[in-house]
Amino acid sequence: QSALTQPASVSGSLGQSVTISCSGTSSSIGPYYLVSWYHQAPDKVPRLIFFGNNERPSGGSDRYSGSRTAYTASLTISGLQADDEGDYFCCSYAGGPSVFGTGTKVTVL
Amino acid sequence: QVQLVESGGRVVPPGTSLEISCAASGFIFMNHGMHWVRQSPGKGLEWVAFISYDGSREEYADAVKGRISVSRDNSRSTLNVELRNLKTEDTAIYYCARASFTNGWHGSYMDVWGTGTTVTVSS
Repeated sequence: QSALTQPASVSGSLGQSVTISCSGTSSSIGPYYLVSWYHQAPDKVPRLIFFGNNERPSGGSDRYSGSRTAYTASLTISGLQADDEGDYFCCSYAGGPSVFGTGTKVTVL
Repeated sequence: QVQLVESGGRVVPPGTSLEISCAASGFIFMNHGMHWVRQSPGKGLEWVAFISYDGSREEYADAVKGRISVSRDNSRSTLNVELRNLKTEDTAIYYCARASFTNGWHGSYMDVWGTGTTVTVSS
């Protein structure tokens, strides 16, 4: 169960967009395996922000969007705001177990 | 409101066992599978374990398999995990998280998280 691979950090200016990738193998991020995304603000509990094809939790922001290729999922954050800073983690079902990504630190310039 | 509250974390010496718990409220606990996720100091999230809504299926991460048991008491809306032969690398905040499913996909997402309980393994 190797962790999914994410870039260590991405940054963008207020109002811009950033995209975070999440890569694995056929056993860890297969085409029908659900991928979900979590935001962990500094010193806070992780919070679900996006999952599946284009789903968000109730009351969630539509500034999050996602895409998938074979073994890579991506999350785009549009219209960057100051409180978007923090760590972002992808998570995939892996045929029984689940596996998280390595995490990406988002910095708003 | 929907809430998960973990308890039982403490400082323990290597090689010992510890049970931590998660109390659920505000939703029908018996309708949901549950996950345990941990986060070592300054590190990322690590999935640890899953138990199905009725306790009939358990999944464990390789890093803890053989040293961990997850159980649930649906009559009390509580989730438990026993960690055995604790190692220093088990030091982490342990979160319980509710599992929810969406049509057309294998696997679940974690839509409710507890605030975590800290386990420190140290001599």
